[in-house]
Amino acid sequence: ELKVEQNPLFLSMQEGKNYTIYCNYSTTSDRLYWYRQDPGKSLESLFVLLSNGAVKQEGRLMASLDTKARLSTLHITAAVHDLSATYFCAGMEYGNKLVFGAGTILRVKS
Amino acid sequence: DSGVTQTPKHLITATGQRVTLRCSPRSGDLSVYWYQQSLDQGLQFLIQYYNGEERAKGNILERFSAQQFPDLHSELNLSSLELGDSALYFCASSVADYNEQFFGPGTRLTVL
Repeated sequence: ELKVEQNPLFLSMQEGKNYTIYCNYSTTSDRLYWYRQDPGKSLESLFVLLSNGAVKQEGRLMASLDTKARLSTLHITAAVHDLSATYFCAGMEYGNKLVFGAGTILRVKS
Repeated sequence: DSGVTQTPKHLITATGQRVTLRCSPRSGDLSVYWYQQSLDQGLQFLIQYYNGEERAKGNILERFSAQQFPDLHSELNLSSLELGDSALYFCASSVADYNEQFFGPGTRLTVL
């Protein structure tokens, strides 16, 4: 059974700083997803990582996948207030079931 | 906007009641998934339908059931509601297995 752990669960950052959110998973995952959720809103897909060594970047966010270490990271560069949200990583089990981490609440302070 | 629609947006009901949540997938998507998001359990997969057939089951209670209709919309039925069923229920859709899932806006259920 796939289990996904994120850390930290809460992150308070100053604007302009860099930080990394870590996502560990317990068994083989078909792929790894990162989602963003604003309070009371839906899940917005950020990245889909399909293979070992995959790296994707969008604006100030960069995600990577190391399948051997069973680790994905979401790196935030020069944080801005608009990045404040909850970020989830999710593994995929059996090709259809998303297994989510607990989420990382990110607060960017100006 | 993901293209997945869910109704209603909010639902307030009492313990013991039954409710139905509705989901319309993106055009062309054959798979529909239901997830529950609550403070204590986080985001959990409930059930998947593919082209009208149940395909995968997760942590779905026996009091809950779902179906997918010929027009591919899906309904999640929750009965004998308890306080602990209060949560945000998301529907997602994808073309098929191994494809990216796109999430709807969710239905917030409050059981009083």
